[in-house]
Amino acid sequence: AQSVTQLGSHVSVSEGALVLLRCNYSSSVPPYLFWYVQYPNQGLQLLLKYTSAATLVKGINGFEAEFKKSETSFHLTKPSAHMSDAAEYFCAVSDSGGGADGLTFGKGTHLIIQP
Amino acid sequence: NAGVMQNPRHLVRRRGQEARLRCSPMKGHSHVYWYRQLPEEGLKFMVYLQKENIIDESGMPKERFSAEFPKEGPSILRIQQVVRGDSAAYFCASSQITYEQYFGPGTRLTVT
Repeated sequence: AQSVTQLGSHVSVSEGALVLLRCNYSSSVPPYLFWYVQYPNQGLQLLLKYTSAATLVKGINGFEAEFKKSETSFHLTKPSAHMSDAAEYFCAVSDSGGGADGLTFGKGTHLIIQP
Repeated sequence: NAGVMQNPRHLVRRRGQEARLRCSPMKGHSHVYWYRQLPEEGLKFMVYLQKENIIDESGMPKERFSAEFPKEGPSILRIQQVVRGDSAAYFCASSQITYEQYFGPGTRLTVT
């Protein structure tokens, strides 16, 4: 069975500082991995996805994530935080690429940006 | 190009009533997924449907919940005899096969 663990339910960084949101997964097959962002009272927006091509994946809004098989991790980073990055971030895993089965989500990390 | 549409955005039901949540997938998408988000929790997969077929309902509660995606019209998630524990945000997503899922804005169900 798949599972996703997001370390830290809340992460606070200063504006302009590095953002690091942690995600570890378990999967019995080579996984497809996703990061989604959710702004208050809205749906989820896809930030980026890993589909077994390049291990370093670049997404929207300056975010990127690195797939590390040895560490079963897929941490999300952004070099310089902006106030507009304040939101809830979810890591998710799929066996099939996300189009042929339900995604398994982590519990989310609330990102707080300090001015 | 309209995204995934869900209605209503907010729904209030009294205990024992029925709730019907609607989802129209993105144009060209034939796969629909329903998820439930409880407070302080991530999204939990409920059901995956294609037109006129339920592909995977492993996340659906055994009783009171049902879903359909008819040949014509939106997908419907139906909750009969709602209880307070059904209060949550319900999200629909759609995809083409093997592609990522796109999410709607959600329906926030409150049971009083």
